[in-house]
Amino acid sequence: AAGVIQSPRHLIKEKRETATLKCYPIPRHDTVYWYQQGPGQDPQFLISFYEKMQSDKGSIPDRFSAQQFSDYHSELNMSSLELGDSALYFCASSSGYEQFFGPGTRLTVL
Amino acid sequence: EDKVVQSPLSLVVHEGDTVTLNCSYEVTNFRSLLWYKQEKKAPTFLFMLTSSGIEKKSGRLSSILDKKELFSILNITATQTGDSAIYLCAVGYLYNQGGKLIFGQGTELSVKP
Repeated sequence: AAGVIQSPRHLIKEKRETATLKCYPIPRHDTVYWYQQGPGQDPQFLISFYEKMQSDKGSIPDRFSAQQFSDYHSELNMSSLELGDSALYFCASSSGYEQFFGPGTRLTVL
Repeated sequence: EDKVVQSPLSLVVHEGDTVTLNCSYEVTNFRSLLWYKQEKKAPTFLFMLTSSGIEKKSGRLSSILDKKELFSILNITATQTGDSAIYLCAVGYLYNQGGKLIFGQGTELSVKP
């Protein structure tokens, strides 16, 4: 069965650089969620989209922005990267109740 | 403030043991409670519970929700080394409140041979 696809899987950036993370939800899933998981931490909700509109916003820094496109894929744009942004970034997709997670993008900021 | 609390935070058992993981929550706009297994990668979906008292079962794993007392348990019987992982409990918000998940801290289970 098709799963959530995220790219890239690993990303290394320097401080103050910009990063773009991509998420391709499971086909026919209309909702995408982004989560950030720091080392040894539980996933923290960042932002979500339903039918290409932002549906909820969590603890997402102003330096981050996201959108969902007409094909339902989503991109998380992160600017002015800081060391503390190093984390695993998960995308999850849903068509109702369950959320299925992608493999994550491991971002390292040097 | 909404929160999800899991206990214990870590657990070491031997193969064949039975374990019970706990999850309690205080969440407004509750819609569902979900259990995930995380092994150094993405959380893998195990169960979603929306109704009290109805046990969900998958092989050696089972889970039940008590919406009156606001907790859930995840049972694993006849544990195997492959069960070693972090087990995350998450509460899902009502869809009209965004549907996001908030997670507990996780229980790190280690199953020794």
